[in-house]
Amino acid sequence: SSELTQDPAVSVALGQTVTITCQGASLRSYYASWYQQKPGQAPLLVIYEKNRRPSGIPDRFSGSSSGDTASLTITGAQAEDEADYYCSSRDSSPNYVIFGGGTKLTVL
Amino acid sequence: QVRLEQSGGGVVQPGRSLRLSCAASGFTFSRYGMYWVRQAPGKGLEWVALTSNDGASQYYAASVKGRFTISRDNSKNTLYLEMNNLGPEDTGVYYCAKDLAAATTLIFDFWGQGALVTVSS
Repeated sequence: SSELTQDPAVSVALGQTVTITCQGASLRSYYASWYQQKPGQAPLLVIYEKNRRPSGIPDRFSGSSSGDTASLTITGAQAEDEADYYCSSRDSSPNYVIFGGGTKLTVL
Repeated sequence: QVRLEQSGGGVVQPGRSLRLSCAASGFTFSRYGMYWVRQAPGKGLEWVALTSNDGASQYYAASVKGRFTISRDNSKNTLYLEMNNLGPEDTGVYYCAKDLAAATTLIFDFWGQGALVTVSS
């Protein structure tokens, strides 16, 4: 199966912009989805199909993709954005899902 | 609103079995594929299994294939995960999740609260 690689940790100053990346061969064929997970909570879908946001997700969250890399950008990071972020996509086998290892975002 | 209410977690000895349930409400359950995703303590997310909306198709991660069975009862709006021959590596929080659309998108737009499964003697 394929893998998705994320940086383990990223930090951003309050109000600044941060980009979290996800790299993997499957991203050349399939869009990434992004999930936010805060301690003790279930994950929350924040971006799907490259740059679509579910209802209720602030527009400071955006997604993009190029080649084998997908990116999640938070423009004007808030304290409440501090969380773990996971990317996912279809695997090379069509009905299989893979997740990245997660990125811990710290808002300073 | 969409709700996924999980039950069935607990402590189980290695080699034993456990069944998780996920009761759905707030949407037409029979239209959507459903999933199980797990998270070992302090680790990342791992997809476990998928069932199609009608229950006719199931897919499993290699780590659980042959030991776990995903099923659903659309008359009861409930998803299940039967876990057999459990090992310590199966310890973690198990989440049920709903597909984003009435097609198999492999995108999870609503999640249950999670159920902790601890495999220990």
